[in-house]
Amino acid sequence: EVQLVQSGAEVKKPGSTVKISCRVSGYNFIDYYMHWVQQAPGKGLEWMGLVDPKDGETIYAEKFQGRVTITADTSTDTVYMDLSSLRSDDTAVYYCARSHGGLGECQFDNWGQGTLVIASS
Amino acid sequence: QSVLTQPPSASGTPGQRVTISCSGSSSNIGSNFVYWYQQLPGTAPKLLIYTNNQRPSGVPDRFSGSKSGTSASLAISGLRSEDEAEYYCAAWDDSLRNPVFGGGTKLTVL
Repeated sequence: EVQLVQSGAEVKKPGSTVKISCRVSGYNFIDYYMHWVQQAPGKGLEWMGLVDPKDGETIYAEKFQGRVTITADTSTDTVYMDLSSLRSDDTAVYYCARSHGGLGECQFDNWGQGTLVIASS
Repeated sequence: QSVLTQPPSASGTPGQRVTISCSGSSSNIGSNFVYWYQQLPGTAPKLLIYTNNQRPSGVPDRFSGSKSGTSASLAISGLRSEDEAEYYCAAWDDSLRNPVFGGGTKLTVL
């Protein structure tokens, strides 16, 4: 069974950095891209970026470029998402999602359970 | 403002058929596959339709997808109370070089 298990909720001060993990199991880690999606309270889904675990190549959304870093650790089958210079409007649930198929596909066939990040002083 | 445009809300009574539209452009829906996701309250999104009109295993055939030009639609027939959820369309955008989502449509079963 494919599983994506994310780390727990975080409360962070504005200006700081949050690091969220997504540990996968049930499939060959390097065979699928992993994406991160933001969902602010009461809002829709916003794509943040992706990593190819095979070689660590990343693509980031323009909105988050410079503040987001996505990495993959093949020794632990875990993907990480760092978001820096946190602002109050970064308060959101963050999801990791596996995509089926190649680059250019949006078939997110498995999702993590979500991690709530609250950015507040 | 989302790249893909969906109506914010839709509604229907049990047993009815409802459709949710998703409008894009030549750089996304016009040249790539469309995907649909269902998000029940308090849960992660779930893949509902892939490559325009295919259903993953376990998704009832009451759900169907279609695409024409730069628009797509999700149809739900035989509406049930458990279909009350938020629905999102998604497609790859060739200009942005990333996936884009619609703003979501909240479906209410009256």
